[in-house]
Amino acid sequence: DGGITQSPKYLFRKEGQNVTLSCEQNLNHDAMYWYRQDPGQGLRLIYYSQIVNDFQKGDIAEGYSVSREKKESFPLTVTSAQKNPTAFYLCASGQGAGNTIYFGEGSWLTVV
Amino acid sequence: GQNIDQPTEMTATEGAIVQINCTYQTSGFNGLFWYQQHAGEAPTFLSYNVLDGLEEKGRFSSFLSRSKGYSYLLLKELQMKDSASYLCAFRGATNKLIFGTGTLLAVQP
Repeated sequence: DGGITQSPKYLFRKEGQNVTLSCEQNLNHDAMYWYRQDPGQGLRLIYYSQIVNDFQKGDIAEGYSVSREKKESFPLTVTSAQKNPTAFYLCASGQGAGNTIYFGEGSWLTVV
Repeated sequence: GQNIDQPTEMTATEGAIVQINCTYQTSGFNGLFWYQQHAGEAPTFLSYNVLDGLEEKGRFSSFLSRSKGYSYLLLKELQMKDSASYLCAFRGATNKLIFGTGTLLAVQP
């Protein structure tokens, strides 16, 4: 099946630990995005990438890191520097200007 | 700077028509998106406007005026399952996709 796959769906993390969320797409899309959503809130952009080996900070990049070594993969690491990481994380991808952007099913991260 | 605004909540009656407005400000523009999001789920794509005018897709239509920085989503023949958040987003010149806070629509019987 074609699409955007995020894993894991649910993740629990202890304070002080780093955690990496996976996002894989087989749609041959150039652009990929990571968003954070808190309960009852809108989507806030963490990082985005327009092409392999390149990415830009979004509005709330502090405490997060990404890599784009392959076109189909855009993993997000939530570091211990992120003070309030409990949230719903959404990955999206699109082919660029003039084309639609689609979302994966999301990952729920809870810090315990 | 870049800014996007939409109403926080709206209420409508089953079978009626509702219009959700969105205004935006950006120096570069590569399209306006609307998504539907049910609680606890990922957003699903509804529409994409890059040129001025009305795009119709079944019960849903979306309108764009680039000169006014304005868009609306029109939902006809409302059904209970249309109760959800509706997210407006614009894509800027560098493909950066910025979302509004979303409009929570409650459809009542």
